[in-house]
Amino acid sequence: GAVVSQHPSWVICKSGTSVKIECRSLDFQATTMFWYRQFPKQSLMLMATSNEGSKATYEQGVEKDKFLINHASLTLSTLTVTSAHPEDSSFYICSASLLAGGPGEDTQYFGPGTRLTVL
Amino acid sequence: KQEVTQIPAALSVPEGENLVLNCSFTDSAIYNLQWFRQDPGKGLTSLLLIQSSQREQTSGRLNASLDKSSGRSTLYIAASQPGDSATYLCAVTGNQFYFGTGTSLTVIP
Repeated sequence: GAVVSQHPSWVICKSGTSVKIECRSLDFQATTMFWYRQFPKQSLMLMATSNEGSKATYEQGVEKDKFLINHASLTLSTLTVTSAHPEDSSFYICSASLLAGGPGEDTQYFGPGTRLTVL
Repeated sequence: KQEVTQIPAALSVPEGENLVLNCSFTDSAIYNLQWFRQDPGKGLTSLLLIQSSQREQTSGRLNASLDKSSGRSTLYIAASQPGDSATYLCAVTGNQFYFGTGTSLTVIP
């Protein structure tokens, strides 16, 4: 089956630093990748939708200048948390959809997540 | 390793019917369980979150239950509407997220 990886799986950083999280589709090409986050004891919430070669679409309330998303290829999307603060500590998870036009084109495959702790 | 299964894989019902979607998981050591809705080409929309210490949550026409000991959760949708047509996913959180296989729901007008 389709596999999505994330790196790193967990990261601890100091306040004010930037953190980059990678999301890769290992054995398929993904035109669309989604980024989610989950704060402790809260639901997983969609942050942004990322399409290869174009600007990401952010959900309301998500600062696009703080959460930079780059989808440079059909197998890689990155989320950079700029000038991270303790309130950004969360679980970040990505998902990838198969290339449109094929079977199961709407199926999302999820990465294992990245736990970010900002001190 | 946690395994999450959803039954049925697909369901088609006439408008107005009440329906139940099932989710089962193999490891009861979870922090919470969530139900999501997925529309074609869109990201997930969170419907209900049940903490491991809770037994159910309700939101409008939706009610979700959790029985950790048996590794089961159900999502009850009352008075279904065509707009409820979507794929419904459950996910449990342990050390990471584990998503179910999904149930594709079609509500026929």
